[in-house]
Amino acid sequence: QKEVEQDPGPLSVPEGAIVSLNCTYSNSAFQYFMWYRQYSRKGPELLMYTYSSGNKEDGRFTAQVDKSSKYISLFIRDSQPSDSATYLCAMSITQGGSEKLVFGKGTKLTVNP
Amino acid sequence: KAGVTQTPRYLIKTRGQQVTLSCSPISGHRSVSWYQQTPGQGLQFLFEYFSETQRNKGNFPGRFSGRQFSNSRSEMNVSTLELGDSALYLCASSFRQGLGGYTFGSGTRLTVV
Repeated sequence: QKEVEQDPGPLSVPEGAIVSLNCTYSNSAFQYFMWYRQYSRKGPELLMYTYSSGNKEDGRFTAQVDKSSKYISLFIRDSQPSDSATYLCAMSITQGGSEKLVFGKGTKLTVNP
Repeated sequence: KAGVTQTPRYLIKTRGQQVTLSCSPISGHRSVSWYQQTPGQGLQFLFEYFSETQRNKGNFPGRFSGRQFSNSRSEMNVSTLELGDSALYLCASSFRQGLGGYTFGSGTRLTVV
């Protein structure tokens, strides 16, 4: 079982739709939970990160973490064509004083005008 | 404020050769991590450097190595290249460990022929 599981999609929605992206994880030692957005030929761009269970909102984006279920979600409201990208969940873990990120494989999202 | 700069952007090498990739982190960032991204495996952690010391290493063969200089700039080297080393190599920097969010560069696309 991989430490982080993410449905690769692809996911195609009409403009204005609410998008729900999800990841599950198995390691209780994960500390921070992040969502990155990656456009073609670019590096991942940090969208949101959170430490605790609950919701965190930033504009049209809401990140949700449920540590008891080992489940995180990203919701995008009023989706726009510019949101078309691959979305990666990531989780941080500290080992021997050093931190590393463990990523899901990413979900490719297309928002159609 | 300049972002994370990776050079070169694209590279084509022949099997058996070696390659060196460069990463300049955001000014003031002391932690630099390297990741390999492939369609099959997604983003995988290579190693992390902090104040010129390798703090953590992923599950990659010894052909993959790196270093960090006193100005926090980092290089990674891959020796005896194999076809399977073809990937996008991403560098990420952070002000310090434990904050969770890392800023990525646009990556170096390495193709081994």
